[in-house]
Amino acid sequence: QKEVEQNSGPLSVPEGAIASLNCTYSDRGSQSFFWYRQYSGKSPELIMSIYSNGDKEDGRFTAQLNKASQYVSLLIRDSQPSDSATYLCAVPGSARQLTFGSGTQLTVLP
Amino acid sequence: EADIYQTPRYLVIGTGKKITLECSQTMGHDKMYWYQQDPGMELHLIHYSYGVNSTEKGDLSSESTVSRIRTEHFPLTLESARPSHTSQYLCASSGTAGNTIYFGEGSWLTVV
Repeated sequence: QKEVEQNSGPLSVPEGAIASLNCTYSDRGSQSFFWYRQYSGKSPELIMSIYSNGDKEDGRFTAQLNKASQYVSLLIRDSQPSDSATYLCAVPGSARQLTFGSGTQLTVLP
Repeated sequence: EADIYQTPRYLVIGTGKKITLECSQTMGHDKMYWYQQDPGMELHLIHYSYGVNSTEKGDLSSESTVSRIRTEHFPLTLESARPSHTSQYLCASSGTAGNTIYFGEGSWLTVV
């Protein structure tokens, strides 16, 4: 089992809709979780981090963490075409550095 | 905003040439990383360092080598480039206070 798993997509949503991106992880001891956004041809940039169970909101983005289910998600409200990118989930792995999922490609249709 | 710089951004070189990709960060981060990523594909960790004179190989085997003589500098070297080395190389760093990784803008290497 991979340490971090994401649905590869692609995921398409209409402009203004809610995009839901999901991630599961294997290490029950993980304490911190990160979402990165990567535009085509660019490097990943951090958009959200979450450490506690529950929801964390930042503007149109909400990260949700459920440690019992080993599940972390990212919701993007009022999706915009500029949100079209690949979203990477990252969790500390067995070797103490962040392990990245394979990413979910999101397309927001105008 | 992360201050991590990579040079060159784009490089086309011939097979057999030696190249060094430079990476510097001004944040005083102890941890530095090199990732390799082909277009549309996963990030693969190829090297990391937890401090000066500390280097480790990552999950993906790579023919490249790295050094960490100064905290702020983590260059990656290919002694003899091959077309299979064509890829994007991303340098990153993180501080000891948390695991948040900050990426440089990447170096696109094409070996012809």
